[in-house]
Amino acid sequence: GENVEQHPSTLSVQEGDSAVIKCTYSDSASNYFPWYKQELGKRPQLIIDIRSNVGEKKDQRIAVTLNKTAKHFSLHITETQPEDSAVYFCAAASYTGGFKTIFGAGTRLFVKA
Amino acid sequence: SQTIHQWPATLVQPVGSPLSLECTVEGTSNPNLYWYRQAAGRGLQLLFYSIGIDQISSEVPQNLSASRPQDRQFILSSKKLLLSDSGFYLCAWISAGAGNTIYFGEGSWLTVV
Repeated sequence: GENVEQHPSTLSVQEGDSAVIKCTYSDSASNYFPWYKQELGKRPQLIIDIRSNVGEKKDQRIAVTLNKTAKHFSLHITETQPEDSAVYFCAAASYTGGFKTIFGAGTRLFVKA
Repeated sequence: SQTIHQWPATLVQPVGSPLSLECTVEGTSNPNLYWYRQAAGRGLQLLFYSIGIDQISSEVPQNLSASRPQDRQFILSSKKLLLSDSGFYLCAWISAGAGNTIYFGEGSWLTVV
């Protein structure tokens, strides 16, 4: 079945450094790749997304890249701040009679002040 | 604007007891609806998705079931809970007018004792 692998599972960085989270997907029909941030005890919230016809997208300190050939996509956070500490999920979505979104296992990011 | 409501927010149930979690969406019609489960410290597992009334797809074998008696209502049920059913249950939806972005409800914390 469809699968999304996410690495690393835990990431610790110093405030001001960059953080990179990488994902791979298996379903070649996937055409939409959102990233979510989940703070403790709360629901995941969309932070950025990218569609299959785009290779890169940036929103302030956050950027995503997509390599459809290799089925890789990544999240880059620059100038990290303590409030960036959370669990981040990548996901891959495809349409198979309905939109189906499969999530990675998550990355717990710690930003040390 | 579209909103999603999910309840109850928290419940503690004994092993073998039934379960009913309810989710409703407002401000949209014919949404794709989803149930995800998140075990403690783990990723988001897709349990069920629905593209319309009485149209349910199950992603994993389990003792849970889902129903969609109305366009904007999605119910997760179990006849007999297991300890392994404990987790954070998230209802989610996609609106056809909002691309493929999935939005989550507030979540329901289930502890089976």
